[in-house]
Amino acid sequence: GQNIDQPTEMTATEGAIVQINCTYQTSGFNGLFWYQQHAGEAPTFLSYNVLDGLEEKGRFSSFLSRSKGYSYLLLKELQMKDSASYLCAVRARPGSYQLTFGKGTKLSVIP
Amino acid sequence: DAEITQSPRHKITETGRQVTLACHQTWNHNNMFWYRQDLGHGLRLIHYSYGVHDTNKGEVSDGYSVSRSNTEDLPLTLESAASSQTSVYFCASSERGPDTQYFGPGTRLTVL
Repeated sequence: GQNIDQPTEMTATEGAIVQINCTYQTSGFNGLFWYQQHAGEAPTFLSYNVLDGLEEKGRFSSFLSRSKGYSYLLLKELQMKDSASYLCAVRARPGSYQLTFGKGTKLSVIP
Repeated sequence: DAEITQSPRHKITETGRQVTLACHQTWNHNNMFWYRQDLGHGLRLIHYSYGVHDTNKGEVSDGYSVSRSNTEDLPLTLESAASSQTSVYFCASSERGPDTQYFGPGTRLTVL
């Protein structure tokens, strides 16, 4: 089976840094995705990790440790518009394009 | 610009009726997916397709069917709608190489 865990909710202050963790236990592993979803909207792609290490993209970075089954999304210089849900998703098998999603972390950015 | 669209955006129907939700993408992607999203469950895969005439069951496929007669469209049919199928439905597509999934705007379905 597949199990992906994320915190349900987080709150952070505008201008600060926040780290959203994701742990996974899946039958295999072939990549981890992070998506952002604003309330009432579709998920949009943020980042992809398949090898261990940090991927940086502007204010957002994503880290992966395959041996620990662990990833995090780091958001720097938080802005009010970053208030959204952040979804962690794992692709378990090579050649399979299916994703298994965690339940998402709702981030609230406060002034 | 290439895009993925869903229709209708909102639908109210009655228990027992057949309902079809449309999904259309203009990226020429081979892979297409249907998810439902409910509070407390996140996104769950209903059905998916890797090409024309290919369809596969996902995690929560009971009560749903899909068909793929061309590359652009993957309609989702609820054979006999049930109140438990009240949800927000998202369609997504991806290409085989860089297989990032891109999502449509969603359809909010209410079954009374």
